[in-house]
Amino acid sequence: EIVLTQSPGTLSLSPGERATLSCRASQSVGSNLAWYQQKPGQAPRFLIYGASSRATGIPDRFSGGGSGTDFTLTISSLEPDDFAVYYCQQYANTPRTFGRGTKVEIK
Amino acid sequence: EVHLVESGGDLVQPGGSLRLSCAASGFTISNHDMNWVRQTPGKGLEWVGYISRSAETMYYADSVKGRFTISRDNAKKSLYLQMNSLRADDTAVYYCIVGGYWFDYWGQGTLVTVSS
Repeated sequence: EIVLTQSPGTLSLSPGERATLSCRASQSVGSNLAWYQQKPGQAPRFLIYGASSRATGIPDRFSGGGSGTDFTLTISSLEPDDFAVYYCQQYANTPRTFGRGTKVEIK
Repeated sequence: EVHLVESGGDLVQPGGSLRLSCAASGFTISNHDMNWVRQTPGKGLEWVGYISRSAETMYYADSVKGRFTISRDNAKKSLYLQMNSLRADDTAVYYCIVGGYWFDYWGQGTLVTVSS
């Protein structure tokens, strides 16, 4: 099973700042990585697939990068609506696995 | 607009059974692979299993293999999760999801609690 390690666990930032979230895989997943956003009491929302392609309707302040074992999700300028928990997920292998999440909180 | 509504979550005793349903609307379910994913505060998000669009292929997490069965009825626009031999560590919110590789659309989830 591929283990995804996300860091940091919590990111404390102010609106307008840049957020950089990391996801590291225990073995190469190529570009088979997705990102999701989850707010309290809601289901996760799909953001990114193929490591860097935005899902339909996702603002361009969200960008993904990386390949192999090291990936990043960058939010270029945080909006109030962006404070949430972010998860990465690999689909290179079964079982599909998720990271434990990075919480982006208001500083 | 894609809409997924899970139902069937309940409090059940260890060793018991439960069947979750997911009603789909706003898209043609027969064109899409589907998954179930569960979430707990302790273990986070855990993929449970996958079913191909025509139900020819299913995959399961090792933790539920032999106990859980995914099925679908495309004519009824529905996805199902039959859960048998439930254990305390199956307690979670269960999500119905559209997608074969990444998970495009999620339902709101249904809570399953396994406790005596």
